[in-house]
Amino acid sequence: NAGVMQNPRHLVRRRGQEARLRCSPMKGHSHVYWYRQLPEEGLKFMVYLQKENIIDESGMPKERFSAEFPKEGPSILRIQQVVRGDSAAYFCASSPPNVFPGGAGYTFGSGTRLTVV
Amino acid sequence: SQQGEEDPQALSIQEGENATMNCSYKTSINNLQWYRQNSGRGLVHLILIRSNEREKHSGRLRVTLDTSKKSSSLLITASRAADTASYFCATDGGETTSGTYKYIFGTGTRLKVLA
Repeated sequence: NAGVMQNPRHLVRRRGQEARLRCSPMKGHSHVYWYRQLPEEGLKFMVYLQKENIIDESGMPKERFSAEFPKEGPSILRIQQVVRGDSAAYFCASSPPNVFPGGAGYTFGSGTRLTVV
Repeated sequence: SQQGEEDPQALSIQEGENATMNCSYKTSINNLQWYRQNSGRGLVHLILIRSNEREKHSGRLRVTLDTSKKSSSLLITASRAADTASYFCATDGGETTSGTYKYIFGTGTRLKVLA
């Protein structure tokens, strides 16, 4: 079991370009979560997806950011027309379904560090 | 503001000493978790404590939960240099219709263990 795989590990983009971040959840996990971490800060929730569904995108900026988790393939976090303030580490986590009521820990990927120059 | 807030923000101790970190949160929870993050790396899940539990142990880790005070503590006993990392608490921010939770993270405690 390879765990949660994120790629690329590091991504450099010029202002105005697009950034695509990929996340492959653990085998058997159908729930994916994206978080953003600014330097010296905690993780901020962005979006929660299941296969082909966005369940909660309350943490996503209204513009330029989008996420998907298609039936086949990894989850994608897409940032259009990047700005310097988008520079951060983006983490993906996955969990199995039906963990209510006790909940369960996430399994995190190693993150993608986006630098906008 | 963050659901979970840790204190202290930074902690520096000598190897062999115990390290205690605290987390406070605002709303009722179903469970609380602690994670570790080494510099520049992803997060590692350490321990989950449910709202009906008061204390939990895992190796050198001891977690307590006081739901009346909306607080939790993480104790690392006999610390080692390898424990140097940031530690985050995370609380469930609300159940989704599927029953899987999104978690709200605090800003973390940066622990430095000096050899």
